[in-house]
Amino acid sequence: GQNIDQPTEMTATEGAIVQINCTYQTSGFNGLFWYQQHAGEAPTFLSYNVLDGLEEKGRFSSFLSRSKGYSYLLLKELQMKDSASYLCAVPKAGSYQLTFGKGTKLSVIP
Amino acid sequence: EAGVAQSPRYKIIEKRQSVAFWCNPISGHATLYWYQQILGQGPKLLIQFQNNGVVDDSQLPKDRFSAERLKGVDSTLKIQPAKLEDSAVYLCASSSHLGLAGGRPQETQYFGPGTRLLVL
Repeated sequence: GQNIDQPTEMTATEGAIVQINCTYQTSGFNGLFWYQQHAGEAPTFLSYNVLDGLEEKGRFSSFLSRSKGYSYLLLKELQMKDSASYLCAVPKAGSYQLTFGKGTKLSVIP
Repeated sequence: EAGVAQSPRYKIIEKRQSVAFWCNPISGHATLYWYQQILGQGPKLLIQFQNNGVVDDSQLPKDRFSAERLKGVDSTLKIQPAKLEDSAVYLCASSSHLGLAGGRPQETQYFGPGTRLLVL
């Protein structure tokens, strides 16, 4: 089976940097996704990592360590609009089906 | 490019009633997913279609849930009869890949706005 663990809630200050961690256990690893979900809205794709290392995309970066079963999402220069849930997801082995973590609710405060 | 469309956006029903949700995926996307998202949880896959065929419905409670995608485009998800614990957001997603992953880079799933169901 698959297991994904991420913190339930985090709070950070506008303009700061926040790191949201995700640990996973899965057989047949085939990448890891991060999605952003604002309250009452659909998840939207942020990043996909399949190789170890850091991938940067504007204010958002995502890191993967396959040997440690660990990923993080790094958000820089936080803005109020970054308040949302951040979902970590891994595909089922041999499939495109995603198993999602419970999500980390990030609150950005002034 | 138009996104994934879903309707209705909100639905309130009483337990034991029936309800149906509709999804229109992104044009050309062969694969369609239905997810259930309970408040405070991540989305949980219910069923996956590829064109008009079911790829995986192992997590669909078939005693009360059914889904179809007859012409390989639009899809409907039905609950009959509804229970209190079915209160959730039902998300539809689509993607353009075909076949199994086979170690290749993943295609991205695009989600619709969801239908928020409240069962009283």
